[in-house]
Amino acid sequence: GAGVSQTPSNKVTEKGKYVELRCDPISGHTALYWYRQSLGQGPEFLIYFQGTGAADDSGLPNDRFFAVRPEGSVSTLKIQRTERGDSAVYLCASSGRKPLHFGNGTRLTVT
Amino acid sequence: RKEVEQDPGPFNVPEGATVAFNCTYSNSASQSFFWYRQDCRKEPKLLMSVYSSGNEDGRFTAQLNRASQYISLLIRDSKLSDSATYLCVVRDSSASKIIFGSGTRLSIRP
Repeated sequence: GAGVSQTPSNKVTEKGKYVELRCDPISGHTALYWYRQSLGQGPEFLIYFQGTGAADDSGLPNDRFFAVRPEGSVSTLKIQRTERGDSAVYLCASSGRKPLHFGNGTRLTVT
Repeated sequence: RKEVEQDPGPFNVPEGATVAFNCTYSNSASQSFFWYRQDCRKEPKLLMSVYSSGNEDGRFTAQLNRASQYISLLIRDSKLSDSATYLCVVRDSSASKIIFGSGTRLSIRP
């Protein structure tokens, strides 16, 4: 009966480094979403997967951001050459027939 | 213009009061609408879906006005535990991205 699991819960990295954030959705959920949330803001859409394919990646801010979901389950959000402005909580959500179920998020801090 | 707009608040109301939030959306093709609640440093959680005919869940009533492209949430007899940020959420179609508003902060005082 697990919910959406995100790891790590916290990540501190230096500017310029590469990071990977992992999301393990609810079993059987075909839709998976990544969002980014800054303090005082709502979740900002990044990318949406239906199965293995990215159905909509229009929210990725630039080419430093990339996400994969190779087997239609676990997804990884990859950020290259991190910048201080990338610091935020990265939320993953999955959806079956019901609306979104969120994980606890990964708090990314770029120093 | 943002796709989903909300008054950020904060709304500060006494316990027992009735409070209402509105949200507007820009895409007239939007099909599904929701209200989510987010507590401080927690993930958003579904509060209720919003149906064209309006719907009620206990003290909470949601309404949709497609002609004017706005959604509302009414909370009656507010409780201290209602203090949170309320997020308006819109989906364009069954196979499309889901967009969140920036949220409305509500604080209930004793």
